Amino acid sequence: SSELTQDPAVSVALGQTVRITCQGDSLRSYHASWYQQKPGQAPVLVIYGTNNRPSGIPDRFSGSNSGNTASLTITGAQAEDEADYYCKSRDSSGNHLVFGGGTKLTVL
Amino acid sequence: QVQLQESGPGLVKPSETLSLACTVSGGSVSSYYWSWIRQPPGKGLEWVVSIFYTGKTEFSPSLKSRVTISEDTSKNQFSLRLRSVTAADTAVYYCARLARVGSYYYFDYWGQGILVTVSS
Repeated sequence: SSELTQDPAVSVALGQTVRITCQGDSLRSYHASWYQQKPGQAPVLVIYGTNNRPSGIPDRFSGSNSGNTASLTITGAQAEDEADYYCKSRDSSGNHLVFGGGTKLTVL
Repeated sequence: QVQLQESGPGLVKPSETLSLACTVSGGSVSSYYWSWIRQPPGKGLEWVVSIFYTGKTEFSPSLKSRVTISEDTSKNQFSLRLRSVTAADTAVYYCARLARVGSYYYFDYWGQGILVTVSS
């Protein structure tokens, strides 16, 4: 099991706001990054350093961190946002990278 | 624009060694950090190993005893070797660049992935 815990599935109505969370003790010390993966495709970085967007990522994607929880928020979800989302950080030892188990986002 | 491309056999027999290469274009393997990540069919992402331009390596604890990572600067490639494979090692294997900005580490460029099946 991963040291980073994500809800397996989340749904959101088109145009509404959704928050995807990632919990783990290591998040008190290390930043999270977030990846979007659509079926049959490689993951794409959407947030790094808790709340920084790479160029080309829409500004409806944002990140935050509070205590042991990192969050990815999509404000005004679009149909094309339907995908699996993974958080990544370090484990509690700080010596290894680790991914969360992933959250499948459905846009209704 | 940095591009990564995985290459290697798509089928490996049980107990043998899986060998993959990642060719980097648009950047030098002598800079940055580089990693392998895998994804079993229908499952989540699993970090496998990283190599840093300083020569330092970090391994997933669950795979450390079977994994080797190396760089070939003449070919601008880095490679993965996974020994004594079983069906549980069947996965899409991705190579990725691990960027660092201050204390932030993140995978900013990924290869398209290569499916490796372990079967006799």
